[in-house]
Amino acid sequence: GENVEQHPSTLSVQEGDSAVIKCTYSDSASNYFPWYKQELGKRPQLIIDIRSNVGEKKDQRIAVTLNKTAKHFSLHITETQPEDSAVYFCAASDSGGYQKVTFGTGTKLQVIP
Amino acid sequence: SAVISQKPSRDICQRGTSLTIQCQVDSQVTMMFWYRQQPGQSLTLIATANQGSEATYESGFVIDKFPISRPNLTFSTLTVSNMSPEDSSIYLCSVESSSTDTQYFGPGTRLTVL
Repeated sequence: GENVEQHPSTLSVQEGDSAVIKCTYSDSASNYFPWYKQELGKRPQLIIDIRSNVGEKKDQRIAVTLNKTAKHFSLHITETQPEDSAVYFCAASDSGGYQKVTFGTGTKLQVIP
Repeated sequence: SAVISQKPSRDICQRGTSLTIQCQVDSQVTMMFWYRQQPGQSLTLIATANQGSEATYESGFVIDKFPISRPNLTFSTLTVSNMSPEDSSIYLCSVESSSTDTQYFGPGTRLTVL
């Protein structure tokens, strides 16, 4: 099955700086890569996703890049704000008949004001 | 995105008992998923529930311990049976959007087993 590794496990940045979280996956047939943000005590919320036919996607301060050859993808947050502090999970889907999603281990991001 | 609710939001249970968690969606969905999230950990898929068929369980999870029902396209239940303290966790249901293939999560059920 799919295996997703995520680094770093914790990340502290100064407000206004950029944050980068990196993930690798094992199943070359995976074709869907969502990113979730989970604030303390709340449900995971989708913040951005990318599919294998796209190399990069941006949404305001958030961008995701995908390198299918190397089987890795990254989340970039620019101009970080204190409200960006949360745990971020990357994920990858299997190539089965439905979108079974395997999650990375999570990155706790702290934005220091 | 779909509006998903779960009941109960939290519970404290005695070991050896069982708890049934309900998941309700405001629209019809084909795929519903049940996850477990242990404190400070990532999300682990327990099983996938399709309406009208038996749930498909992931490695390490069995039907006797986590029976699932899916009576219609908007509702599912997960039962945690014969609970032990190791079952203390957050249990989340999720649904897959038919138009985007994206998964959306319910608010979760925080279970504590004493």
